[in-house]
Amino acid sequence: AQKVTQAQTEISVVEKEDVTLDCVYETRDTTYYLFWYKQPPSGELVFLIRRNSFDEQNEISGRYSWNFQKSTSSFNFTITASQVVDSAVYFCALSETGNQFYFGTGTSLTVIP
Amino acid sequence: DSGVTQTPKHLITATGQRVTLRCSPRSGDLSVYWYQQSLDQGLQFLIQYYNGEERAKGNILERFSAQQFPDLHSELNLSSLELGDSALYFCASSVGHRNYGYTFGSGTRLTVV
Repeated sequence: AQKVTQAQTEISVVEKEDVTLDCVYETRDTTYYLFWYKQPPSGELVFLIRRNSFDEQNEISGRYSWNFQKSTSSFNFTITASQVVDSAVYFCALSETGNQFYFGTGTSLTVIP
Repeated sequence: DSGVTQTPKHLITATGQRVTLRCSPRSGDLSVYWYQQSLDQGLQFLIQYYNGEERAKGNILERFSAQQFPDLHSELNLSSLELGDSALYFCASSVGHRNYGYTFGSGTRLTVV
């Protein structure tokens, strides 16, 4: 069974629209960490955010915001006023032991100018 | 620049051959992790080394092996290559043997023809 599910394979939005990328995770551990990474067309993996299981506070960083809800095992990522430079594949990941990450299959976001 | 250096950036080789991918961790980091990103399997954890010792193992094939040297750089050896081994191979590093947000290198793109 998938530990991290990103049901949205591809999303297209017009520039300046808001977009939310969904992430649902599965774990039996009480201590775990969730992450979002961005993979632009150049291929590198860029760290965006880390959230531990004891901190359900939502976080905002510029145009990016994250909504962590343990009750629904979700960790969704919203980009406000999207820009062309936001076009990339976004990965949600779970770490239980700190040794390995379980990545979702990624959501490919295209922002149309 | 993440500080994690992977070489080569691109590699093209024939089926049946053997290749070595190299990773230099960020200065001060003792752990090295290897991941494979392929079209059909997504991003998968292969193996972790901490201060020269194997620490955790994921979905690494028997044809693949890795090691970490005294200077902490790591090599991933892939042998008897098959077409399906074509993928982007990422290395990441962290200070401790458990880390909750490691930094990835820019990857080595392996193409097996």
